[in-house]
Amino acid sequence: DTEVTQTPKHLVMGMTNKKSLKCEQHMGHRAMYWYKQKAKKPPELMFVYSYEKLSINESVPSRFSPECPNSSLLNLHLHALQPEDSALYLCASEPIGGANEKLFFGSGTQLSVL
Amino acid sequence: KQEVTQIPAALSVPEGENLVLNCSFTDSAIYNLQWFRQDPGKGLTSLLLIQSSQREQTSGRLNASLDKSSGRSTLYIAASQPGDSATYLCAVLNQAGTALIFGKGTTLSVSS
Repeated sequence: DTEVTQTPKHLVMGMTNKKSLKCEQHMGHRAMYWYKQKAKKPPELMFVYSYEKLSINESVPSRFSPECPNSSLLNLHLHALQPEDSALYLCASEPIGGANEKLFFGSGTQLSVL
Repeated sequence: KQEVTQIPAALSVPEGENLVLNCSFTDSAIYNLQWFRQDPGKGLTSLLLIQSSQREQTSGRLNASLDKSSGRSTLYIAASQPGDSATYLCAVLNQAGTALIFGKGTTLSVSS
């Protein structure tokens, strides 16, 4: 299995809803990432987990809450989002945290906040 | 702060042409540089990774070069095909070696 799987593929939510995005990989990768990508913009880093520990939080608002229950799974919990949070949310993984390794990306969750 | 710039922003070519996409970065202290492909509304696929000590990498019709001292990389696509139509993103691994910094991409359209 050489894939990063993200679910759901599409999500529409209201500003008062609570939802979660899921990312899964079974390649034994120990670093996992959340990126946010607005239309026609490059991906922007949100969070990095290395060996199931949060290593980087790029000053992301607390309405986004990441969780790494185990080495294969990464969640992003969403609560009280704003319409400007609508974007493509991408998960990525790599064999070890650090340099000189390719990132493997999932196909993303397209999120719309109404 | 590292900044990555890609030129051109968009490119349209007829099938069969060879083409070059350009990427420049402001801080030459990088760990590596990657070229990605992204189809509309989809995730990213890593095409080529060049280590900071390398000058180029090749995969099929793709060749990427790196000149770290001048802060430049090029992606050469030979004999372009309609299936090559996508957005191509260049990204450098930051000084801390913790995350990629992306350029805004070049959107390529190859007509048959």
